[in-house]
Amino acid sequence: DAGVTQSPTHLIKTRGQHVTLRCSPISGHKSVSWYQQVLGQGPQFIFQYYEKEERGRGNFPDRFSARQFPNYSSELNVNALLLGDSALYLCASRLDRANTEAFFGQGTRLTVV
Amino acid sequence: DAKTTQPTSMDCAEGRAANLPCNHSTISGNEYVYWYRQIHSQGPQYIIHGLKNNETNEMASLIITEDRKSSTLILPHATLRDTAVYYCIVRVVVSGNTPLVFGKGTRLSVIA
Repeated sequence: DAGVTQSPTHLIKTRGQHVTLRCSPISGHKSVSWYQQVLGQGPQFIFQYYEKEERGRGNFPDRFSARQFPNYSSELNVNALLLGDSALYLCASRLDRANTEAFFGQGTRLTVV
Repeated sequence: DAKTTQPTSMDCAEGRAANLPCNHSTISGNEYVYWYRQIHSQGPQYIIHGLKNNETNEMASLIITEDRKSSTLILPHATLRDTAVYYCIVRVVVSGNTPLVFGKGTRLSVIA
């Protein structure tokens, strides 16, 4: 079975641009979460979606938004990119909201120049 | 903020047991202890979790002290592929809205 897939794997954007990152959860998984990992730090929670609704939000500005589609895939959007948004963006899927094990994708490496 | 404290780094000889400590002195009665690891350039990987009893699976063992204020992850026979950053996390499972809160973890280096 395919694991969590994220696209693209790498991209470079200019300050002020916007970016859309995509995540496909494991088949049958209904919960998707997004994390940001800057160099040298552990991942930081951004959003959780379950059944297409936002179920949790971390301490990130409104420039960050996300959505989940009927097939449970998800997009993370970041507007007005800043240099500090450069990071590895990770998507994690769970079977349901409370299921204990989260499966992470390989991440999207975003570089803002 | 992370509710756990871990050493920044540790070394372990290949083939020996790796014992990774974690302090979670403020853990609540309904919080579980989780361990994830992150191999370079990959997403975090679930290892094991427990509430108060010791747990074992094919990857590792988790030893939780009786007062639940600390725990130890044991990799019984470390290999070079176990070199990674190991994260100890406490999390309430009942509520689906609680995310994983990662600290900086312990960087384990397995040496040949």
